[in-house]
Amino acid sequence: DIVMTQTPLSLSVTPGQPASISCKSSQSLLHSDGKTYLYWYLQKPGQSPQLLIYEVSSRFSGVPDRFSGSGSGTDFTLKISRVEAEDVGVYYCMQGIHLRTFGQGTKLEIK
Amino acid sequence: QVQLQQWGAGLLKPSETLSLTCAVYGGSFSGYYWSWIRQPPGKGLEWIGEINHSGSTNYNPSLKSRVTISVDTSKNQFSLKLSSVTAADTAVYYCASFPGYCSGGSCYGGYWGQGTLVTVSS
Repeated sequence: DIVMTQTPLSLSVTPGQPASISCKSSQSLLHSDGKTYLYWYLQKPGQSPQLLIYEVSSRFSGVPDRFSGSGSGTDFTLKISRVEAEDVGVYYCMQGIHLRTFGQGTKLEIK
Repeated sequence: QVQLQQWGAGLLKPSETLSLTCAVYGGSFSGYYWSWIRQPPGKGLEWIGEINHSGSTNYNPSLKSRVTISVDTSKNQFSLKLSSVTAADTAVYYCASFPGYCSGGSCYGGYWGQGTLVTVSS
């Protein structure tokens, strides 16, 4: 089984400041088709999760460009260039190369 | 606009079978894996399993012995059955589609249902 490990598990950020979340997988997420199956989701309070980033770095529909994803192989990062109040919630990475596994989640709150 | 609507029993006794159904409205049923994910109160997301339109399934190894996911393409619906439930199965259960991606200026997939709280208690 592929284990996904996120750090930190929580962070408190002043509006307008950047934020960064790390996600490490226990195996490479690079597929033989050349794609890397790493996704980022945000679960806002009281809501279902929503897709932010697919295949490491591609923003999904309607996702602001202050969100960016990077990484390769087993190490990945989600960055928010300037945190806004609406960004609060729990961020999850998920691998999709072998079945699916979520990271533990990172709770973002506003200072 | 694709919408997922899910339903099923919200209160079960230990040893009973959990049964949930998710209907897909407004979009193609093929080309995705239709998944079930759960979230115990105050905890993170756990992927349970998935099925595609042709009936091919994948399951979380930790739940595989108790899980059955089926599909009814005539109704654009898929269902989850989890047998022999215990209090540890108490969670909000979500249906969702994977993957999500964008191509040619349009985005597809990445849909989630509203979630159903299932409580297991004697």
